Amino acid sequence: DVKVTQSSRYLVKRTGEKVFLECVQDMDHENMFWYRQDPGLGLRLIYFSYDVKMKEKGDIPEGYSVSREKKERFSLILESASTNQTSMYLCASTGGWRSYEQYFGPGTRLTVT
Amino acid sequence: AQSVTQLDSQVPVFEEAPVELRCNYSSSVSVYLFWYVQYPNQGLQLLLKYLSGSTLVKGINGFEAEFNKSQTSFHLRKPSVHISDTAEYFCAVSEPEYQLIWGAGTKLIIKP
Repeated sequence: DVKVTQSSRYLVKRTGEKVFLECVQDMDHENMFWYRQDPGLGLRLIYFSYDVKMKEKGDIPEGYSVSREKKERFSLILESASTNQTSMYLCASTGGWRSYEQYFGPGTRLTVT
Repeated sequence: AQSVTQLDSQVPVFEEAPVELRCNYSSSVSVYLFWYVQYPNQGLQLLLKYLSGSTLVKGINGFEAEFNKSQTSFHLRKPSVHISDTAEYFCAVSEPEYQLIWGAGTKLIIKP
């Protein structure tokens, strides 16, 4: 079974703090994704990575950055958290260059106060 | 540009009744279609997918979906729902080699 884990299930941070969300997959997948999920908006792609040290912006990259130093690990960074970044963050991975079937972690619910 | 519309944000249905969750997409080329399910407090998991071949696709937990190219739809159905089907269901579409485009989700609410 593919396993995607995320560092925290729940996180509470203050405005202006730097926030790190980590994601690890154990299936040697090339592609990894960060989404945020908000009610009524579905999943919106923040960033994705198709290889170590490679990254591409998704639909809503503003206010976020990412890091992929190792194949199995993909980190999402909020340089200066703001209240409008309160959301559910989902990490996913998939193997191969046609990224269809995505495997998801359990999500991190981030609250910024 | 592609888009995915899930026509209902919530669908309440009695236990053991049939259900249909609707999904329409817009695309000018061939697409691949997916339904994912998110149970409470969990990540998403793949329910079923259409890549090619038969337009009727069967998935896990008794769900099936039918690809209708002329109507650009990919509706999800189950003949008899159970309380354990309570979840949010997401439709997604991908043109070959592109990322997934997601619908807004439909919450399936099972009434006892």
